[in-house]
Amino acid sequence: AQRVTQPEKLLSVFKGAPVELKCNYSYSGSPELFWYVQYSRQRLQLLLRHISRESIKGFTADLNKGETSFHLKKPFAQEEDSAMYYCALSGPHSGNTPLVFGKGTRLSVIA
Amino acid sequence: NAGVMQNPRHLVRRRGQEARLRCSPMKGHSHVYWYRQLPEEGLKFMVYLQKENIIDESGMPKERFSAEFPKEGPSILRIQQVVRGDSAAYFCASSPPGGRDTQYFGPGTRLTVL
Repeated sequence: AQRVTQPEKLLSVFKGAPVELKCNYSYSGSPELFWYVQYSRQRLQLLLRHISRESIKGFTADLNKGETSFHLKKPFAQEEDSAMYYCALSGPHSGNTPLVFGKGTRLSVIA
Repeated sequence: NAGVMQNPRHLVRRRGQEARLRCSPMKGHSHVYWYRQLPEEGLKFMVYLQKENIIDESGMPKERFSAEFPKEGPSILRIQQVVRGDSAAYFCASSPPGGRDTQYFGPGTRLTVL
């Protein structure tokens, strides 16, 4: 069964502290993994995808197939990072297959 | 490009009424997805459509729910005889042909059933 688990419902960190949002998945095959972010009163938007291997807004995520994880990290949190973060997976062609989402983690960065 | 549009943004219905949610995909996008988000839950896939075709409706409840994406006009998610448990945020996403690009989301429609 396809499943995405985000164990933390809420994560609070101080400004300047490192951030790690956890994501584990189960999928038989080679999934594509994504992080989506939803800022207050804004639509869900793509933050990054594992095949791009890029850093967006200082965030990175590495796909660990052995641990079936795709944790999101940032070395120094900023107040503007406060948002809801969703980890998601899809089949190999993400435009043609539904996304499976985790329940989300609310990140709160405290000044 | 205006992005994915959804209307209405908020919809209030009484039990037993019908709800119609509309989604206009991004220009050039021919794939549309509908997701539902219940309180305290992640988004759950409902249905995947291309123009005039339902590709995958494995996430749709068997009764009262239907979706279409006509040749002209927006995609419509229709819920007949709404019940309180239908109260949720409904999100539409679109993607271009080819399958290589990801999905882009609309702002959602928040349905409240009284």
